[in-house]
Amino acid sequence: GAGVSQSPRYKVAKRGQDVALRCDPISGHVSLFWYQQALGQGPEFLTYFQNEAQLDKSGLPSDRFFAERPEGSVSTLKIQRTQQEDSAVYLCASSSWEGGREQYFGPGTRLTVT
Amino acid sequence: EDKVVQSPLSLVVHEGDTVTLNCSYEVTNFRSLLWYKQEKKAPTFLFMLTSSGIEKKSGRLSSILDKKELFSILNITATQTGDSAIYLCAVEAHSGGGADGLTFGKGTHLIIQP
Repeated sequence: GAGVSQSPRYKVAKRGQDVALRCDPISGHVSLFWYQQALGQGPEFLTYFQNEAQLDKSGLPSDRFFAERPEGSVSTLKIQRTQQEDSAVYLCASSSWEGGREQYFGPGTRLTVT
Repeated sequence: EDKVVQSPLSLVVHEGDTVTLNCSYEVTNFRSLLWYKQEKKAPTFLFMLTSSGIEKKSGRLSSILDKKELFSILNITATQTGDSAIYLCAVEAHSGGGADGLTFGKGTHLIIQP
């Protein structure tokens, strides 16, 4: 496709469940980012990948959060034992290695933990 | 810790008015400042600024960066109801590993009344 896609678009999980959020970046983009956006807030950086390498995971809020990008394209953000405070929109963005710093965002996954 | 502060947090004006949105930042090893427009979905890219004093324009939108005073403004002239959105400011810092995550402000919620 032409843009970044994410699935599912909406996810409702019961507290304690594990969830997996998927991101398909723009084809050929080597850099991929995950952000968490709470209601009424700007996005907050979680982690980024350059190809399959996870170069920075300093924004992951706890060890319940795990991200992978095994083949350097699709990425999955996994949250184990979800808590209510994990409720947010999870945004994925990708960018090309050359060509500036424009990050193209996906539509996001809205996670609600009940 | 990198920090981005936007003001005002919300703004209501009438169609045809001109608005100025502010973004100040504190960041180690500044690389670029970006403006995004966020409606109901993911942020869409507006401008990337790297040099002081050079105005970037796109239609009725323009932006400029002051690296000495550490701020940027986003101007919108002759506002239209379609300009209603949250405007996000983000900064990127140099990192040794290449493309880096962005630090976002909380956004300015702009409402244009007909």
